[in-house]
Amino acid sequence: GAVVSQHPSRVICKSGTSVKIECRSLDFQATTMFWYRQFPKQSLMLMATSNEGSKATYEQGVEKDKFLINHASLTLSTLTVTSAHPEDSSFYICSARSVGPTKETQYFGPGTRLLVL
Amino acid sequence: AQSVTQPDIHITVSEGASLELRCNYSYGATPYLFWYVQSPGQGLQLLLKYFSGDTLVQGIKGFEAEFKRSQSSFNLRKPSVHWSDAAEYFCAVEGAGSYQLTFGKGTKLSVIP
Repeated sequence: GAVVSQHPSRVICKSGTSVKIECRSLDFQATTMFWYRQFPKQSLMLMATSNEGSKATYEQGVEKDKFLINHASLTLSTLTVTSAHPEDSSFYICSARSVGPTKETQYFGPGTRLLVL
Repeated sequence: AQSVTQPDIHITVSEGASLELRCNYSYGATPYLFWYVQSPGQGLQLLLKYFSGDTLVQGIKGFEAEFKRSQSSFNLRKPSVHWSDAAEYFCAVEGAGSYQLTFGKGTKLSVIP
């Protein structure tokens, strides 16, 4: 149980285009989802916290107009990187926090590798 | 603010040897503590977690961790390492009720056949 999927797993795009990444909790409901960014050989840095039906909360230094987050249902959150540039190339990982008995635990998706040319 | 320190960036052990990965945290109250493992290009898999109760926690794949409040530590151990354990290991802390994880910088484990 507690499976989180991400789509796509890899994406290559041209500079200036927008990219949407989906995060789904497959077998549980998640009131809260988190988006992280991981640079090569570094740790995960929290970008934003997404609560179903409300606006996301962004960490300091993360541009909310560039990284649009939507959490429209208890099983789906999306991250849209708008007008992507090469410096946005990174590994993006989402996690979901269940509402059930294991609500203190975050379950992570497999990540999305974004390369902006 | 909570923080996590993993002092060892890279550890190499021989297959079959024992393993201990260190983790120290900073948090004002009793934290929730986690160990995750990440294989190259993959997401994170939860190995084990500590919320309260018994300070020795058993996880998957033969891993265990011990919470020591006096030392603010939550070290991960395994008595006999397998080649498939080679990966990046992250310790994380969550303040009770904060819902946010703070990760350490990770420890890369290499296993020599």
